[in-house]
Amino acid sequence: EPEVTQTPSHQVTQMGQEVILRCVPISNHLYFYWYRQILGQKVEFLVSFYNNEISEKSEIFDDQFSVERPDGSNFTLKIRSTKLEDSAMYFCASGIPTGGAEKLFFGSGTQLSVL
Amino acid sequence: AQKITQTQPGMFVQEKEAVTLDCTYDTSDPSYGLFWYKQPSSGEMIFLIYQGSYDQQNATEGRYSLNFQKARKSANLVISASQLGDSAMYFCAMREVSGSARQLTFGSGTQLTVLP
Repeated sequence: EPEVTQTPSHQVTQMGQEVILRCVPISNHLYFYWYRQILGQKVEFLVSFYNNEISEKSEIFDDQFSVERPDGSNFTLKIRSTKLEDSAMYFCASGIPTGGAEKLFFGSGTQLSVL
Repeated sequence: AQKITQTQPGMFVQEKEAVTLDCTYDTSDPSYGLFWYKQPSSGEMIFLIYQGSYDQQNATEGRYSLNFQKARKSANLVISASQLGDSAMYFCAMREVSGSARQLTFGSGTQLTVLP
């Protein structure tokens, strides 16, 4: 069964460093997302991406964050200068419209630890 | 106001028994989708089941079924014949379709423990 793939599974970085989290969405999906989950808290929406541009973003997704789909398969989240509070599990998801609302499939996540 | 409410922070069930995980939602959008995801201790988010607001029948996927009561705005997940591997955090989520927003809004989750 096709799945969303995320790399790396764990990333440790120093505060102020740039990180890039990578995702390969399911190939025929049209919508791509990043969500994050701080330990013990709810899953929070960051950004959605469609037709090679951001379609929606949350207040969390400030100027330190950017997304890119550099080729036909990869979808990346870049954090320009990491802060301690960016430590979280980051989930990539992709979806395809199914009768009015799309089903979203998540990757297994990247655990980001900022020291 | 909370869009998705899961009132059970933790639930216990005996192996082979059925369990219901509660979820209520709040929306004025007539078109929406409801999702349940499972998050084991390893952290990944596993899609379980989906219910559209216009679906006439309750969704079922194997041992999972969704008890959708539209008038009460509830979308409870029923797991039949619980297995030890069902022990995990379970999240209810909603997406409103009519507006431009495509994001999922998640509840706070229910930690299910299946006892041998």
